[in-house]
Amino acid sequence: LAKTTQPISMDSYEGQEVNITCSHNNIATNDYITWYQQFPSQGPRFIIQGYKTKVTNEVASLFIPADRKSSTLSLPRVSLSDTAVYYCLVGDLTLNNAGNMLTFGGGTRLMVKP
Amino acid sequence: DAEITQSPRHKITETGRQVTLACHQTWNHNNMFWYRQDLGHGLRLIHYSYGVHDTNKGEVSDGYSVSRSNTEDLPLTLESAASSQTSVYFCASWDVANEQFFGPGTRLTVL
Repeated sequence: LAKTTQPISMDSYEGQEVNITCSHNNIATNDYITWYQQFPSQGPRFIIQGYKTKVTNEVASLFIPADRKSSTLSLPRVSLSDTAVYYCLVGDLTLNNAGNMLTFGGGTRLMVKP
Repeated sequence: DAEITQSPRHKITETGRQVTLACHQTWNHNNMFWYRQDLGHGLRLIHYSYGVHDTNKGEVSDGYSVSRSNTEDLPLTLESAASSQTSVYFCASWDVANEQFFGPGTRLTVL
């Protein structure tokens, strides 16, 4: 079971780039790295997922080094609406293996200030 | 649009009562999950299902049960509610792209 470690909280200002790092030293070969965003009183929302190297979509980038023991979520030019909790989830959602990975860590509480 | 819904959104019950929380998804996903989230903490997996008639225990399954009679629904039952089960409950479903879609949550208070 891949355990993840993230900073408890981070502060930033509007317009800045924010990088949140997740440590997952015992990541398995078949594991993917997925990041979720959660606003108060809402369910988590998928942001981005990757296996190795770099993945980019319209809202974020995900950087994964060659050893895959950590990953960094990069949010470009954050705004006040990006204030939320961000969770890193590591595991393999393939059939018959879902239960082994579905453990969320405590997440990182990002506060974006004006 | 496809979606995942939960009901009720808020529930207050008494210790010892049986409570059932509903989860319904129209994504036609085979895989569905139930989590609980306690104040200031991440989500913990209660039960999950890979398809009709399949159910599996998660990290914190004691005191909870699920059944899967069709693809769309995975109700979560608390057989005898306890104060320790006061929490926010999230249902999720998952497609083959490894992305989970979460419902809006049910806030349960056990008095």
